[in-house]
Amino acid sequence: GAVVSQHPSWVICKSGTSVKIECRSLDFQATTMFWYRQFPKQSLMLMATSNEGSKATYEQGVEKDKFLINHASLTLSTLTVTSAHPEDSSFYICSARVSGSFETQYFGPGTRLLVL
Amino acid sequence: QKEVEQNSGPLSVPEGAIASLNCTYSDRGSQSFFWYRQYSGKSPELIMSIYSNGDKEDGRFTAQLNKASQYVSLLIRDSQPSDSATYLCAVMSSGSARQLTFGSGTQLTVLP
Repeated sequence: GAVVSQHPSWVICKSGTSVKIECRSLDFQATTMFWYRQFPKQSLMLMATSNEGSKATYEQGVEKDKFLINHASLTLSTLTVTSAHPEDSSFYICSARVSGSFETQYFGPGTRLLVL
Repeated sequence: QKEVEQNSGPLSVPEGAIASLNCTYSDRGSQSFFWYRQYSGKSPELIMSIYSNGDKEDGRFTAQLNKASQYVSLLIRDSQPSDSATYLCAVMSSGSARQLTFGSGTQLTVLP
């Protein structure tokens, strides 16, 4: 149980285009999902907390107009990187927390983004 | 600034030895602590969670927590080459957001 999927697993795009990444909890409902970014040889950095039916909460330094998050259902959150630039190239990972639980987060497999 | 500190390593141990990974945290109000394993190019995988002072054992893994010292560790007994990965310590914030703060990770190599 507690499986989280992400799609796509990797994407290459041209600078200036927008990229949408989906995060799904497959066998549980997730009121809260989290989006992380990880650059090579660095740890995970929380970008935003996504709550179903409400606006996402962004961490300091993360541009909410550039990284659009939508959590329209209890099993799906999307991250859209708008007008992507090479510096946005990174490993984007989502996690989901079981509804009613304050503890364990389950991670998706990640999406590797390369902006040319 | 709530921080989680880990020795970045790399840490090398021979196969069959005990690997000891350490982590300290700054948020004294934290109540939940996690160890994740991350293979190169993959996302983190939960190994252990610990909430109370003392030891918690699960197979070859033992997590140790000392809230007074704000210290949490992970011991891996009978280390195997397949244990070679980066180990991330994560601490859940004491605030209502219940967010995880990750350490920078310790790279472990188990030598055959």
